[in-house]
Amino acid sequence: GNSVTQMEGPVTLSEEAFLTINCTYTATGYPSLFWYVQYPGEGLQLLLKATKADDKGSNKGFEATYRKETTSFHLEKGSVQVSDSAVYFCALRNAGGTSYGKLTFGQGTILTVHP
Amino acid sequence: NAGVTQTPKFRVLKTGQSMTLLCAQDMNHEYMYWYRQDPGMGLRLIHYSVGEGTTAKGEVPDGYNVSRLKKQNFLLGLESAAPSQTSVYFCASSPTGDNTEAFFGQGTRLTVV
Repeated sequence: GNSVTQMEGPVTLSEEAFLTINCTYTATGYPSLFWYVQYPGEGLQLLLKATKADDKGSNKGFEATYRKETTSFHLEKGSVQVSDSAVYFCALRNAGGTSYGKLTFGQGTILTVHP
Repeated sequence: NAGVTQTPKFRVLKTGQSMTLLCAQDMNHEYMYWYRQDPGMGLRLIHYSVGEGTTAKGEVPDGYNVSRLKKQNFLLGLESAAPSQTSVYFCASSPTGDNTEAFFGQGTRLTVV
């Protein structure tokens, strides 16, 4: 079945540092890939997405590129802020087959940014 | 704009009791999902629905049942609660099953004692 693996956390950075959160996946076919963010006490909200190989999703300074050859979708940001402190989830959704529409998440990575 | 609304927000149950969590969305979405979130485990899919009257099992369906009698509502039932079901439960909905955004509720924190 489908699965998503994220780098072990938590991640602690100083403000303005560079961020990378690794995400790799296993899936049949050509899934859509997503990054969601969860702020304390809230539900998840979409950060960015990519729907086909070599697509780059971007939002609020975050970027991730759909790499089919390495089955990866790593999240990056050049300069983090304290307000970026949250839990980040990588996710994929089947594009076909009997599990069409199934949305699978990774285990989440806690990011803490200090001033 | 209500979006996705979960009821209740908090609940404490005794072992063996039953309860139903309600998820309501006002966006006319076809797809709906129930997840549980546990520390270190991320979000695990319990059940999902691809349309009114349909349901499908996710990764961790045991001990839960669901129903989607109306398009806007997706109910999650616990027939006989166990301490292992202590968790935060999230409902989500999306317009389609391919690359569209999923919208999440605020969560229900359930404790089984």
